[in-house]
Amino acid sequence: EAQVTQNPRYLITVTGKKLTVTCSQNMNHEYMSWYRQDPGLGLRQIYYSMNVEVTDKGDVPEGYKVSRKEKRNFPLILESPSPNQTSLYFCASSLRSGLAGEGDTQYFGPGTRLTVL
Amino acid sequence: TQLLEQSPQFLSIQEGENLTVYCNSSSVFSSLQWYRQEPGEGPVLLVTVVTGGEVKKLKRLTFQFGDARKDSSLHITAAQTGDTGLYLCRGLREYGNKLVFGAGTILRVKS
Repeated sequence: EAQVTQNPRYLITVTGKKLTVTCSQNMNHEYMSWYRQDPGLGLRQIYYSMNVEVTDKGDVPEGYKVSRKEKRNFPLILESPSPNQTSLYFCASSLRSGLAGEGDTQYFGPGTRLTVL
Repeated sequence: TQLLEQSPQFLSIQEGENLTVYCNSSSVFSSLQWYRQEPGEGPVLLVTVVTGGEVKKLKRLTFQFGDARKDSSLHITAAQTGDTGLYLCRGLREYGNKLVFGAGTILRVKS
């Protein structure tokens, strides 16, 4: 079954304690992306990756890091989490990065709800 | 300021009613997508529109892309409780090739 998986689904942590949220896709997609979703603000892109070893900042990259060592995995790292990073996080993947056709459908993971105390 | 403004933010209707939600911008978009997100899940693609004036139908859902490619609408006929969810539009802005999401419309259909 084609899917994007994220772990953990729920996480409560404290300020400053480093954490990693994993993301994996089994569709051999080149493009992967991380979003955070906050009420009234919609989905905002944190980082994206066009392919292995190619990553770039999205709209809200501060406080986050990513890596893309393998095509299927795109972990999100919070080196020193702060309360303003409390949010619902989504990983997504697609064959391409644009919006012209079927290859541009973004497949989303189930989300990770993070609370930073 | 959102590049894509969605309205209304929240809509609560009875089963069987019709509704329209909007996605508007002052910018021109090369193409636009609509997603639906149910509680506890990620968004799922409903449709992609790429041509100004384009109309696409998906059962009871009708999607329209404005002639000037600055706006889009989603019309649901005879809403069902299963239509409940968050509806998001996502567009590729022509200038700068920027991909953006709207903030979404929360739809609640009551039985």
